[in-house]
Amino acid sequence: EAQVTQNPRYLITVTGKKLTVTCSQNMNHEYMSWYRQDPGLGLRQIYYSMNVEVTDKGDVPEGYKVSRKEKRNFPLILESPSPNQTSLYFCASSLQANYGYTFGSGTRLTVV
Amino acid sequence: GQQVMQIPQYQHVQEGEDFTTYCNSSTTLSNIQWYKQRPGGHPVFLIQLVKSGEVKKQKRLTFQFGEAKKNSSLHITATQTTDVGTYFCAGPRSTNAGKSTFGDGTTLTVKP
Repeated sequence: EAQVTQNPRYLITVTGKKLTVTCSQNMNHEYMSWYRQDPGLGLRQIYYSMNVEVTDKGDVPEGYKVSRKEKRNFPLILESPSPNQTSLYFCASSLQANYGYTFGSGTRLTVV
Repeated sequence: GQQVMQIPQYQHVQEGEDFTTYCNSSTTLSNIQWYKQRPGGHPVFLIQLVKSGEVKKQKRLTFQFGEAKKNSSLHITATQTTDVGTYFCAGPRSTNAGKSTFGDGTTLTVKP
C-alpha cells in the first residue's frame, strides 16, 4: 500500500531532550516536506526536500533540523525541544513539488 | 508575502443542503490543490486544478479554478454526514516552487 509512515504517533517529552520523528514513504517520491498544525494557525511548512541531499527551509524552520540521505526517509530532528514546539506534525511527500501531497498520519508532540 | 485565504472559517449545514468554500490568493497560482481532513485525521489530497477556468467534478464535489488563477472554490451538493471535516486549499509560492501555502481551512459540520 502506498503510504507515508510517521513514528511515533504520540510523544511526550521534556524540554531540552533531543528527539527525532521519523518519516518514510514507499512511493519513490522525490519531494518531501514537514508541516506543523496548530489551532488557528493552519498548516505551516517547516522544511522541505526536493530530492536526496537537497533540503531547504520552510516558513517556520527555527528549532528544527532535517536530513535526506535516502529518497524514502526524511526525519525531523528537534535538538533541544521547547514547549512552543508542542504541536501536531505531519510529513508529506509527492512525486514532485506541488503535485498532490500524500500525508502521514501525524505525530502529536507535547513538550513539557 | 503570498497569502491564501479561505472563507468561511466554519460552516454548519443541515444534511442535504449544499456547501461551498472559497479560496483566494494574493498572487496568481500555477495550480491549486484541495485537501480534506477528517476530525482527528490527516489531510487527504482530493484534486489539483491547473488550467484557468478549469472545472472538475468528483461525484457530489465540484471544484473550480478562477479565470485569473487567483481564486478557487469547492462546492458540495446535498451534503452527507460523511462530508464532515476541514477542507483546505493549497498553492505553490510564486517565488519558490518548493514552498507551498495552505489556506486556514473551512470546517464543515453536518447536522443529520
